[in-house]
Amino acid sequence: GAVVSQHPSRVICKSGTSVKIECRSLDFQATTMFWYRQFPKKSLMLMATSNEGSKATYEQGVEKDKFLINHASLTLSTLTVTSAHPEDSSFYICSAMDWVFGSGTQLSVL
Amino acid sequence: AQSVTQPDIHITVSEGASLELRCNYSYGATPYLFWYVQSPGQGLQLLLKYFSGDTLVQGIKGFEAEFKRSQSSFNLRKPSVHWSDAAEYFCAVGPKGAQKLVFGQGTRLTINP
Repeated sequence: GAVVSQHPSRVICKSGTSVKIECRSLDFQATTMFWYRQFPKKSLMLMATSNEGSKATYEQGVEKDKFLINHASLTLSTLTVTSAHPEDSSFYICSAMDWVFGSGTQLSVL
Repeated sequence: AQSVTQPDIHITVSEGASLELRCNYSYGATPYLFWYVQSPGQGLQLLLKYFSGDTLVQGIKGFEAEFKRSQSSFNLRKPSVHWSDAAEYFCAVGPKGAQKLVFGQGTRLTINP
């Protein structure tokens, strides 16, 4: 079945820095990937749809300039949290074909 | 608007007992329906999904779910739980043919020895 790999699994950064999270499809090509955010003890909320070769589609209320998404190839989508602040601390997880999810990235901003 | 309700935030059952986790959805038409399991700090593992056809769906790890259109429900069941089933369970819905999902709030399952 489809396998989605996400890296890193955990990252700690200082406030004001940028962090990049990668989401890879290992055994299939993904023209579309999805990025979700999960707050502690909360549900998952769709942030954006990543489209290969074109701009991402963001959900209402998600800051496009804060959460930069790049889908430059058929197997890789990246989410960059720019100028991270403590309120950006969260669990970020991607999904792709067949409703399969990656292992997620825990971001902690100090 | 699409929404998913999991009425039980936390459920505790004894090992070997049966389990039912509730899920109700609000949607314009019959959506695709999913159950996922998440261990602390981990990603989501797909337990089962319903698209159409037989309303009783079998999944991995001995789980099953039943779609009831009249009740807009998709409850997850397991006849006998194991200590390793302790985790967070999420019900999700999505439009037919599309990949993005709307999730419920989750139900945390605790297993008593």
